[in-house]
Amino acid sequence: GQNIDQPTEMTATEGAIVQINCTYQTSGFNGLFWYQQHAGEAPTFLSYNVLDGLEEKGRFSSFLSRSKGYSYLLLKELQMKDSASYLCAVRSGAGGSYIPTFGRGTSLIVHP
Amino acid sequence: GAVVSQHPSWVICKSGTSVKIECRSLDFQATTMFWYRQFPKQSLMLMATSNEGSKATYEQGVEKDKFLINHASLTLSTLTVTSAHPEDSSFYICSAPSDSSTDTQYFGPGTRLTVL
Repeated sequence: GQNIDQPTEMTATEGAIVQINCTYQTSGFNGLFWYQQHAGEAPTFLSYNVLDGLEEKGRFSSFLSRSKGYSYLLLKELQMKDSASYLCAVRSGAGGSYIPTFGRGTSLIVHP
Repeated sequence: GAVVSQHPSWVICKSGTSVKIECRSLDFQATTMFWYRQFPKQSLMLMATSNEGSKATYEQGVEKDKFLINHASLTLSTLTVTSAHPEDSSFYICSAPSDSSTDTQYFGPGTRLTVL
């Protein structure tokens, strides 16, 4: 199986930068996803990392270190609308499955 | 981009009744769709993989006779919760994989089921 660990809740100030960490243990690692989920809504895709390094996409960046089983999602210039749950999902190639396993999510609260 | 819809968006039913949830891919064909369940403040848990034209594949611990899945066409998968009980109250989300190199998923908006 896979163990995915991320903080339960984080708070930050509008305009600031926040980093959400995700650690995982898996065999046959085959990609890591970050999703954003607002309350009562379905997740929306933010980023995908399969190689080590930083992927930047606008205000959001995602970093991966496969040797450390570690990823982070970096949100810059925080806006109130960024208040949501952020899900880390890890895909393992074990058994030929390409379906990712989701972490519990980190609830981010952005305040003025 | 690709869109996945679900119907209904919410449903309230009495204990012992059955509820059908539809998942449609609106502008693409999906030979595979996934059904997830999410309890409050919990992760998305994969229930089953729906395969067009064949039987669904259920995850360990999910009762196939209770959660009936039908994938009759390339754009429609249905999940029927039979003899629903209050513990089945949850947020049910379907998704369909993209055909991009990342193999990400397009999620439906979800269905909030409340069983009284």
